[in-house]
Amino acid sequence: EVQLVQSGAEVKKPGESLKISCKGSGYSFTTYWIGWVRQMPGKGLEWMGIIYPGDSDTRYSPSFQGQVTISADKSISTAYLQWSSLKASDTAMYYCARRGYRANDGLDYWGQGTLVTVSS
Amino acid sequence: SYELTQPPSVSVSPGQTARITCSGDALPKQYAYWYQQKPGQAPVLVIYKDSERPSGIPERFSGSSSGTTVTLTISGVQAEDEADYYCQSADSSDTYYVFGTGTKVTVL
Repeated sequence: EVQLVQSGAEVKKPGESLKISCKGSGYSFTTYWIGWVRQMPGKGLEWMGIIYPGDSDTRYSPSFQGQVTISADKSISTAYLQWSSLKASDTAMYYCARRGYRANDGLDYWGQGTLVTVSS
Repeated sequence: SYELTQPPSVSVSPGQTARITCSGDALPKQYAYWYQQKPGQAPVLVIYKDSERPSGIPERFSGSSSGTTVTLTISGVQAEDEADYYCQSADSSDTYYVFGTGTKVTVL
């Protein structure tokens, strides 16, 4: 069974750093792209970026380039999303999602989401 | 940056047909995908490659494409279909993905 299990909720202060994770299981982690999606409270889905764990090829949405870092450790089948200095506006639910094997298969499996709250 | 535009809301009576549109300049060149999101849950893929349905998705969900607009159709709407729906595609250069603005479907 394919699963993406994300790390737990986080409460941080502005200026702090954070790294959240997404662990894949039940499939070949290195051969599927993993994307990250932001959903601010009461708002829609926003595409952040995507990584290919096999070679760490990473693509960012222009809106998030330079704001976050996406990485992966294929040895433990885990993708990451990190911030070096959080802002209150980073408060949101963050989802990881697997892109299907073929480029046009869509985001076929999703993690349960990680809620990040940034507040002083 | 590239944008996909959806109507904010669609209301439909049970058993009727709901149609949700998504407009974007690159849609003639790029495939579209549709996701259903219920409150407190992660999104679920309901249509890929404009009109393909993943296994396990009911046949009442269908997709179509015409020019710069793609459409998600829910035939014979059921109460359980009440949710937010998002289209998703890529920019014309296939550089990054983008989600539509989202449509709330209300079953009256």
